[in-house]
Amino acid sequence: AQTVTQSQPEMSVQEAETVTLSCTYDTSENNYYLFWYKQPPSRQMILVIRQEAYKQQNATENRFSVNFQKAAKSFSLKISDSQLGDTAMYFCAFMKPSANKLVFGAGTILRVKS
Amino acid sequence: GAVVSQHPSWVICKSGTSVKIECRSLDFQATTMFWYRQFPKKSLMLMATSNEGSKATYEQGVEKDKFLINHASLTLSTLTVTSAHPEDSSFYICSAQKLADRDQPQHFGDGTRLSIL
Repeated sequence: AQTVTQSQPEMSVQEAETVTLSCTYDTSENNYYLFWYKQPPSRQMILVIRQEAYKQQNATENRFSVNFQKAAKSFSLKISDSQLGDTAMYFCAFMKPSANKLVFGAGTILRVKS
Repeated sequence: GAVVSQHPSWVICKSGTSVKIECRSLDFQATTMFWYRQFPKKSLMLMATSNEGSKATYEQGVEKDKFLINHASLTLSTLTVTSAHPEDSSFYICSAQKLADRDQPQHFGDGTRLSIL
């Protein structure tokens, strides 16, 4: 079974600074998908970024980028120029192709301070 | 596109009553919908996978008779918490996956806060 580990329960960052959230996973699959979801205080789950394991290039969405290290099974999220609106709980998630199910990590609470 | 609506957003009811939560995909057809439970500051726990026209598949440890799931159409799935008790109080979130789009992200509803007195 796949597992996803987020080792940082809480983190803080100053506004405009850069922060990296870590995520590791365990799988025997060669092809799969990885996601970062954001859950702000409103509690709506918002997809931040998606990475396909067969793509070597790291995914990027504006201020959000990932460092995908397939051999190390690591999938960290970097948030540049942090904004107050980035304050949220962030979940790393794994999905096997055509398996539907998302396996979530425990989450990291990120607080952006002004 | 890909909007999922969940209703109600918050419900308070007495112990022993049954509560129905609806999950609708507003602008797409969803073959598969998922129901999650989340405790404060915790991760999402998958309860069951709901496929249109067939019985839901429940995760280990989730009581089928307690949490009834119906997926009667390609745009609607319902979760009914039967004979609810205070320990059922939680945040329930649904998500939906587009028809023939199995490798794409799930789209989440806004969640339902259930409080049982």
